Amino acid sequence: DAGVIQSPRHEVTEMGQEVTLRCKPISGHNSLFWYRQTMMRGLELLIYFNNNVPIDDSGMPEDRFSAKMPNASFSTLKIQPSEPRDSAVYFCASSLAGTGAAKSKLNTEAFFGQGTRLTVV
Amino acid sequence: GESVGLHLPTLSVQEGDNSIINCAYSNSASDYFIWYKQESGKGPQFIIDIRSNMDKRQGQRVTVLLNKTVKHLSLQIAATQPGDSAVYFCAENSPGANSKLTFGKGITLSVRP
Repeated sequence: DAGVIQSPRHEVTEMGQEVTLRCKPISGHNSLFWYRQTMMRGLELLIYFNNNVPIDDSGMPEDRFSAKMPNASFSTLKIQPSEPRDSAVYFCASSLAGTGAAKSKLNTEAFFGQGTRLTVV
Repeated sequence: GESVGLHLPTLSVQEGDNSIINCAYSNSASDYFIWYKQESGKGPQFIIDIRSNMDKRQGQRVTVLLNKTVKHLSLQIAATQPGDSAVYFCAENSPGANSKLTFGKGITLSVRP
């Protein structure tokens, strides 16, 4: 498997523009996570999906951020309008989470993509 | 005023020595823990994991110790090599309907040749 694939690897955009980050999780994984990494805050969980359904978006900074997962093999994180303080590295990760009574026993490691370095000028 | 960036704590070790990286986790109900390694320009990579029903787990050159009494996790690296230089994160999984991984701030390991 090629692992988690993110695109683009680098994005430079002007303030006010819309930015869309893309992620293809590992085939067969049922959980997908979007993280943001900055020097100030470290790794922050923005949102995560289980079986394509958003479970927890409490980490999304504000309404300018939105995420979708239309199917098991694709997710997007959109920022509209973008601001300089959004500059960071955005990571997507996927894992295989257990369900039902086996949920806590089957949680496995999250595999990370290479990240998208976003610079908003 | 100007914001100050987050300065990660740094552990500096001599090549060949053993390294011990410590982490305090926050949720006493967390049931699964992972250590990740992040090299410059890359995403975090899995090193080793441990479930809450264990207190020790060994891998190749790495050992993870879990002390649930004091909510402490440690990563031991034997015979540290220059390629071990990276930022190390511990992550805890909170159980329940919305289980998720929460990462610590990270520690920089610097290996002196």
